[in-house]
Parts: sequence; structure tokens; C-alpha cells
Amino acid sequence: DGGITQSPKYLFRKEGQNVTLSCEQNLNHDAMYWYRQDPGQGLRLIYYSQIVNDFQKGDIAEGYSVSREKKESFPLTVTSAQKNPTAFYLCASSDTWEDEKLFFGSGTQLSVL
Amino acid sequence: DQQVKQNSPSLSVQEGRISILNCDYTNSMFDYFLWYKKYPAEGPTFLISISSIKDKNEDGRFTVFLNKSAKHLSLHIVPSQPGDSAVYFCAASGLQGAQKLVFGQGTRLTINP
Repeated sequence: DGGITQSPKYLFRKEGQNVTLSCEQNLNHDAMYWYRQDPGQGLRLIYYSQIVNDFQKGDIAEGYSVSREKKESFPLTVTSAQKNPTAFYLCASSDTWEDEKLFFGSGTQLSVL
Repeated sequence: DQQVKQNSPSLSVQEGRISILNCDYTNSMFDYFLWYKKYPAEGPTFLISISSIKDKNEDGRFTVFLNKSAKHLSLHIVPSQPGDSAVYFCAASGLQGAQKLVFGQGTRLTINP
């Protein structure tokens, strides 16, 4: 059963702590994305990767980092430099970087303790 | 500056009637538009899309209309069913690639029995 798996579903971050959100896909998609959703706002792009071993900053990359060492995995680290990390984070993938039809995971809700 | 706007945060419709969700955009360079549907605790799923060379695209109970001169698109659901209750996001792209997608804030549709 193909899809995108995000974990954990809920995550709590302490002050000054880095946390990593996991995203795994078994769709054999080249491109992967991380979005952030805040209440009353649309999805905003944090980072994207068009192909393995390559990634680019999106619109709101400050305070975040990613890696794409394997085609199926695109973890997102929320660093202590991100001053307002509380949000719902969505990982997505598409067959190629040209394809706007995204497949999304079920999301991770990150909250600050 | 919000380039894609869904001005109605919520909409309530009787089962069996037509649901009309609206989306306005400001960037005349947008030429591809998509609608995504999101259930609680799940990621968005692709619903329907339309290219700017068309003014209508139909898929079963779902029809998307595009009015380029008004920079407006709408999603019609006929007839509405209880399973259609969800948050609907419109998204627009002016250049090929999902990294260029701009999302609206979403409209929560509730179908009443």
C-alpha cells in the first residue's frame, strides 16, 4: 500500500531543543516537500527536494534544516533558531519536480512546552 | 501579500444541494489551478485541477470553473454528500513545479443531513 508516512503524529519541543520530524515515502517519487500550516493560513513551503542528494529553500526556510540522503526519506529538523515552531507540519511528494499533484502525509503537530 | 484567497472560512450546505467553494487570485501569471480536500488528522488529497486554457473541468460530482478575467475559480459539488464534509484548499501555480504552488487558507465545508 503506497503512501507517505510521517512520524510522530504529535511532538513537543523544549526551549533551545532541536527536534526532527520523519517523512518516508514508498511511491518511488523523485520530489519531496515540507509545508507548514498555521491556523487560518494556507500551506507555506519550507524546503523541497527535486531529487535525491539535492534540496532547496522554500519561502520560510529560516530555522529549519533538511537532508535527502535516500530517495524515500526527507527528514525535517526544527532548530532552536526557529522562534515560533508551533504549527502543523505536512510532508508531501510528487512523481517529478514538474508535477503539481502532491501526495501528502497525515502531518505532525509540533508544540512548544 | 496573499496571492490566493479563500474568503469564506466555512460553508454549510444541505445534503443533496449544490456546494460552491470560491477562490480568488491576484497574480495574472498563474496558469494552473488545483483543489485539495483535507479530512481531520489526515493530509490533503488532490481533488481536481484546471489549466488556464480551459474554463471548466469536470470529474463526476466535482466541477471547477475558471474565470481568468475576474481571476476567480470555483469548485462545484453536486449533489453534496455527508462525506464531502472537509476543508478544501485551492492552489495556484505560474511556473511548472510544485515548489511554485501557492495555497489558499482553506474553506471548511459542512454537509448537513
